[in-house]
Amino acid sequence: AQSVAQPEDQVNVAEGNPLTVKCTYSVSGNPYLFWYVQYPNRGLQFLLKYITGDNLVKGSYGFEAEFNKSQTSFHLKKPSALVSDSALYFCAVRDPLTGGFKTIFGAGTRLFVKA
Amino acid sequence: EADIYQTPRYLVIGTGKKITLECSQTMGHDKMYWYQQDPGMELHLIHYSYGVNSTEKGDLSSESTVSRIRTEHFPLTLESARPSHTSQYLCASSDSSGGTDTQYFGPGTRLTVL
Repeated sequence: AQSVAQPEDQVNVAEGNPLTVKCTYSVSGNPYLFWYVQYPNRGLQFLLKYITGDNLVKGSYGFEAEFNKSQTSFHLKKPSALVSDSALYFCAVRDPLTGGFKTIFGAGTRLFVKA
Repeated sequence: EADIYQTPRYLVIGTGKKITLECSQTMGHDKMYWYQQDPGMELHLIHYSYGVNSTEKGDLSSESTVSRIRTEHFPLTLESARPSHTSQYLCASSDSSGGTDTQYFGPGTRLTVL
């Protein structure tokens, strides 16, 4: 069965500092991995995805994520955080071989960036 | 511009009322989904559709029903709303032809049942 975990409910970082939001996953095959961001009173916005190829994936708003197969992780990173990055971030996984079409979302991590 | 729309954005109704939450997408996606999300919390899949005339229940039991008569339209109906239905409802769609099924979300409907 596929699953995804976001071990931190909340991440606090100062503006200008690098940020990391953690995600680990469990699938039986090669995963499709996604990050979404949700701003207050809004739907989820797609940030980036990993399907295959280069382990470092670049996405919207300067975010990137690194796929690490041995550690089954897909952490979201940004070199320099902005106050406007404060939002709720969701990691998601899909196993194309055994999971069908279903995408499993993590519980979310709230990011606070202080000025 | 291709997009996914939900109406209404906010709805406050009394117990026992019948309501329909609308969702439409202009991207030609074959798959559509409904999620329930309490504010700032995790998403729960309540319904999904592979295509026209195809609907299935999701992981979270829900008293709502859905229909998919047209590709672009995926309304969700509550026959008799209760306070326990108070939540945010997110609609999403994806295109399976590319294989990744990246989901794109609407802005959500925040429902309050008094």
